[in-house]
Formats: sequence, C-alpha cells, structure tokens
Amino acid sequence: GQQLNQSPQSMFIQEGEDVSMNCTSSSIFNTWLWYKQDPGEGPVLLIALYKAGELTSNGRLTAQFGITRKDSFLNISASIPSDVGIYFCAGSSPQGGSEKLVFGKGTNLTVNP
Amino acid sequence: NAGVTQTPKFRVLKTGQSMTLLCAQDMNHEYMYWYRQDPGMGLRLIHYSVGEGTTAKGEVPDGYNVSRLKKQNFLLGLESAAPSQTSVYFCASSIQLADEQFFGPGTRLTVL
Repeated sequence: GQQLNQSPQSMFIQEGEDVSMNCTSSSIFNTWLWYKQDPGEGPVLLIALYKAGELTSNGRLTAQFGITRKDSFLNISASIPSDVGIYFCAGSSPQGGSEKLVFGKGTNLTVNP
Repeated sequence: NAGVTQTPKFRVLKTGQSMTLLCAQDMNHEYMYWYRQDPGMGLRLIHYSVGEGTTAKGEVPDGYNVSRLKKQNFLLGLESAAPSQTSVYFCASSIQLADEQFFGPGTRLTVL
C-alpha cells in the first residue's frame, strides 16, 4: 500500500524555537492532513490541504501541500509548552479503486520551558 | 454532540481472555475505523467499515474481529487476547473514505 515517510521521528526543542516537520511519499496524494495528538488523547485535525501548492495557516501553525503532490510540511512558530505531543501527517490517494487515507508514523515533539 | 466515544478507557486482560471494545459516533458518519497505536509505529489500521453491516480488513487484522450492526456503533473483538495485543486502540469515523477522520479518546489495553 501507499506509505508516508514522516520526519523527524522526534524533536526536542526549547520554548520559543520554531519547528519544522515534513512528510514525503513516492506517490501522488490528493489531500494532506496534519493532526496533533496530545498525551493520553486521540488525534485532532490541525490543518487540511486540498490543492497542490496550497499554503494554509492556523495561528502559529503553517502547512503547505507540495507542488509535486508528493510531500507536505508543517511549521510551528514560537513554540510553547502546550505544543508538546505527536504530530501526524495523513494523505489520501487512490488505492485499489478507492481513495483512502494513510498516516505517517508521527513526529514526537518535546518542548522544554 | 459527543463526537466519537470509546468504552472502556482502560482494561487489563490475561492471556486467552476475550473482550469487546465499543465505539460510538453521533455524527451520522458512514465510515468507521479501528486503529492500534504502538510506540514508534504510528497508527495502524486494524479493520474498517464502509457502512452498516459491512466490514473490511486493514493493515493488521489478525487476532481481531469487528461488527457494524448499527450505523453509529463499531465493535472490536479480541477472541483470545495475547500479550502482543497490548496497545492503545483508537476508533475513528469519517464522512467519506478519504476525508478527515474524527478520533475517539482511545482505549488502553494491557494483556498479561
């Protein structure tokens, strides 16, 4: 099946620093989604991208749908302690006659005060 | 709206015991999913359903069974639990197969 390569696997940063993570694939995707999972909770959608080249912001978060449709990145500016959690990318692409959502393995973010 | 709810939140089983995890959603979504999450492995799809009365296998279906007798409920069963099934289980639902999925809070299962 389709696979997403998400990097980095983990990040340890100081409060106030900017963060960047990305997802890549050898396949073309039609949609890119970015989720955040707080400790002990289920993932929650942060940003959805539907068009190649699209750049979307949500507060301190910015995400882009790569022009090749094979990648996406998420940036967090001026990190704060509550940014701690696991960030997942997800993409949808045709698989076996239907379009399905696949998830990356996540980026585990730690923010030191 | 409660969104997606899961019962129970925590459970400890002995090897060989059986149990059923319940997922309920009040958003009238057609599609529902069961995932397991293990450290460093991300979310792995166990089974999913494209509508009431239908189920399909995901990436890691062995050792699990599911049923979707009502549109709002999706049950995950373990007939004979094994320590390898110790994990956090998440249920999710969506309007379409490729749409945003809404997740429940998770069930933490330990098999001794």
